Amino acid sequence: TQLLEQSPQFLSIQEGENLTVYCNSSSVFSSLQWYRQEPGEGPVLLVTVVTGGEVKKLKRLTFQFGDARKDSSLHITAAQPGDTGLYLCAGASGTSYGKLTFGQGTILTVHP
Amino acid sequence: DTAVSQTPKYLVTQMGNDKSIKCEQNLGHDTMYWYKQDSKKFLKIMFSYNNKELIINETVPNRFSPKSPDKAHLNLHINSLELGDSAVYFCASSQGDWKETQYFGPGTRLLVL
Repeated sequence: TQLLEQSPQFLSIQEGENLTVYCNSSSVFSSLQWYRQEPGEGPVLLVTVVTGGEVKKLKRLTFQFGDARKDSSLHITAAQPGDTGLYLCAGASGTSYGKLTFGQGTILTVHP
Repeated sequence: DTAVSQTPKYLVTQMGNDKSIKCEQNLGHDTMYWYKQDSKKFLKIMFSYNNKELIINETVPNRFSPKSPDKAHLNLHINSLELGDSAVYFCASSQGDWKETQYFGPGTRLLVL
């Protein structure tokens, strides 16, 4: 069974601070996805990383896939209250059609 | 234009009852999924259908029975509801397999009393 350990589980910061969320596994994934979920809504895909060592930037968000494709990180620069939400990482395996394994999630609160 | 829709949004029912949740996607996708999100926000896949055929069945009790009448619909029927079934159930769809983006519905909040 593939497992994804996501940390921290909760993060409460002030506007303007930087933060990093980590997603780790002992398993290799074909790709790693990051989702953001707002209260009362379904998760929305932010980014997919597929190549070991890959770095993708989405405005103030930087996503990195580990060289061995077992871990990933999400870094947010100068967090804003609008970044508040649940962040989920999810790993996909090429051997399991369509199956995503999700981490436990990080609840981020950015205070004005 | 809602891409993935679910009904109902809220479902409150008694233990032992049977209930259904409906899901429809208008994205033309060929793969649909059911996920369960527990009170700790952990999201776990339950079922996946590709072109109306069951692809993934993740050790879910057989009280849960998905049904895909066509590629655009994937319904979830739950028999003999138990307290532990209380959760948010999400439907999702994608075009193809794990490489493709999954689009999630707004969720159905099920509370079993």
